[in-house]
Amino acid sequence: DGGITQSPKYLFRKEGQNVTLSCEQNLNHDAMYWYRQDPGQGLRLIYYSQIVNDFQKGDIAEGYSVSREKKESFPLTVTSAQKNPTAFYLCASSITGAASEQYFGPGTRLTVT
Amino acid sequence: GESVGLHLPTLSVQEGDNSIINCAYSNSASDYFIWYKQESGKGPQFIIDIRSNMDKRQGQRVTVLLNKTVKHLSLQIAATQPGDSAVYFCAEIYDKVIFGPGTSLSVIP
Repeated sequence: DGGITQSPKYLFRKEGQNVTLSCEQNLNHDAMYWYRQDPGQGLRLIYYSQIVNDFQKGDIAEGYSVSREKKESFPLTVTSAQKNPTAFYLCASSITGAASEQYFGPGTRLTVT
Repeated sequence: GESVGLHLPTLSVQEGDNSIINCAYSNSASDYFIWYKQESGKGPQFIIDIRSNMDKRQGQRVTVLLNKTVKHLSLQIAATQPGDSAVYFCAEIYDKVIFGPGTSLSVIP
């Protein structure tokens, strides 16, 4: 059963704590992406990785960090420096790093209080 | 400062009627377009795609129309059902992917 998994579905944290969101894919895709989605807004790119051990900042990378040590995994850490971390976070992957169709995970809703 | 949240355009359609959702894209060089459906609390799912060398593509109950002259894309859903209620957004692809903000479709039973 191939696809992208994100865990957990809901995550609650206290302000000032770092939190890591998991994203795993077994599609053998080279590229992976993290997006943030806020109510009534389109997807905003946080970070992306076109290949293992390499990643690039997206449009709103401040306060976030990522790693890509394995092809199938692209965890996102929301740090205490992120001023407004409460949001719905979506992970995606695509076959290549070139612009192509992206397949999305089910998302993680992070609430920071 | 923080940006103000925007309200998504909303389309309300009677069950059984046809729905038309529109999208204006930004880059005239974009050569691949995708429509996604996102149900509440879930990740977006691929619906249909179209290449720039086509102006129409049909799927099961869905049709995508592409007008490159005015950089406009539309998604037509035939015989709209309650399960079609979701946010629909387009993506244009050239050297990167650009997602539109989306339209919320509400189906009235």
